[in-house]
Amino acid sequence: DAGITQSPRHKVTETGTPVTLRCHQTENHRYMYWYRQDPGHGLRLIHYSYGVKDTDKGEVSDGYSVSRSKTEDFLLTLESATSSQTSVYFCAISDPGTGARANYGYTFGSGTRLTVV
Amino acid sequence: GQSLEQPSEVTAVEGAIVQMNCTYQTSGFYGLSWYQQHDGGAPTFLSYNALDGLEETGRFSSFLSRSDSYGYLLLQELQMKDSASYFCAVFNQAGTALIFGKGTTLSVSS
Repeated sequence: DAGITQSPRHKVTETGTPVTLRCHQTENHRYMYWYRQDPGHGLRLIHYSYGVKDTDKGEVSDGYSVSRSKTEDFLLTLESATSSQTSVYFCAISDPGTGARANYGYTFGSGTRLTVV
Repeated sequence: GQSLEQPSEVTAVEGAIVQMNCTYQTSGFYGLSWYQQHDGGAPTFLSYNALDGLEETGRFSSFLSRSDSYGYLLLQELQMKDSASYFCAVFNQAGTALIFGKGTTLSVSS
């Protein structure tokens, strides 16, 4: 299995505080993604990265920022946490590959359960 | 933008066959993917269809009709362990990130 770890696994924080979640991969995959998952909403894309220092916004990027200074690490920061950001956050990686049968499967981390009180 | 529709719940009994549908609207199309997620776990990749037709992997099959903007996931010989949520997904307009549907929760009973 691809090596991808998220930290912390669980976090409780207070409204208004900054929070950083970390995603670390050992697969040298080019693409990394942050999703949030809430009941009734499925997985929603927050931000993604297609290389070191190359990032782009997703569907629900307001209130979040990201950084990728190394291939293996993708950080998600909540600048000032709000209760609406209570969620489970998943990181994913992919490497589309080449050729007619390029693999378009993502590998997900185990998730971070964040509670903002 | 991209949007996907999936039924929210499906129930079935062990040994049966179940089909979970997905319809989509996209600006640009790069294929339809399916993921499985057990309660409390991470999503895992099941299949990817870039072309029309049926792709089979063991008890799982995935179908795509690009002209109908429609696909489905077919599970045969259902087992209790198949109880999970199933998500279909398409790429965003740039083809750089997956957009997921809200998922179908499958409950398998004995």
